[in-house]
Amino acid sequence: KQEVTQIPAALSVPEGENLVLNCSFTDSAIYNLQWFRQDPGKGLTSLLLIQSSQREQTSGRLNASLDKSSGRSTLYIAASQPGDSATYLCAVSVSQRGSRLTFGEGTQLTVNP
Amino acid sequence: DVKVTQSSRYLVKRTGEKVFLECVQDMDHENMFWYRQDPGLGLRLIYFSYDVKMKEKGDIPEGYSVSREKKERFSLILESASTNQTSMYLCASSLFRGAGTEAFFGQGTRLTVV
Repeated sequence: KQEVTQIPAALSVPEGENLVLNCSFTDSAIYNLQWFRQDPGKGLTSLLLIQSSQREQTSGRLNASLDKSSGRSTLYIAASQPGDSATYLCAVSVSQRGSRLTFGEGTQLTVNP
Repeated sequence: DVKVTQSSRYLVKRTGEKVFLECVQDMDHENMFWYRQDPGLGLRLIYFSYDVKMKEKGDIPEGYSVSREKKERFSLILESASTNQTSMYLCASSLFRGAGTEAFFGQGTRLTVV
């Protein structure tokens, strides 16, 4: 059974710092990996999607990498801002029809002004 | 932009009531999903559908059923609501391609069963 782990569970940093969030998964037979952001009491917003054949994806200040063979992904946030404060979730798409996702429990990020 | 809309942000229902949660997407996606999210347990898949009238059980289907009569709409039904179904419910959709594609989520429905 696929399991996804995110470390750390919570992170507090000063504004302007570069930071890395980690995600690991137990079964490397994935189709893709997706990073989401969730604000308190809200739904999930898709940030980046990495297909299994790709190594990384970039969007603005965000860069996500994927090492499928070792079962790891990282989300790099450059020059963090208070507006980046949220919970960040990673999810892997397992090898079944319908692309169902298995989620980690998330990293709660606080960026202090 | 893809839009996934859930019919209610907040619901309060009584134990034993039949509850309907509705989800509509506007991007002609084949796949639709219902998850619930609980502190310490993360997001867990309840049911998903990859086509009209097609459904498959997820990890925690007990106490729930679903309906997909039209491609754009996926309904989650709590046949007889219980207090342990108090949770945040999230609907998602995605295109169906063999390699999987980006999933988009609705804003969530916070259900409280009293």
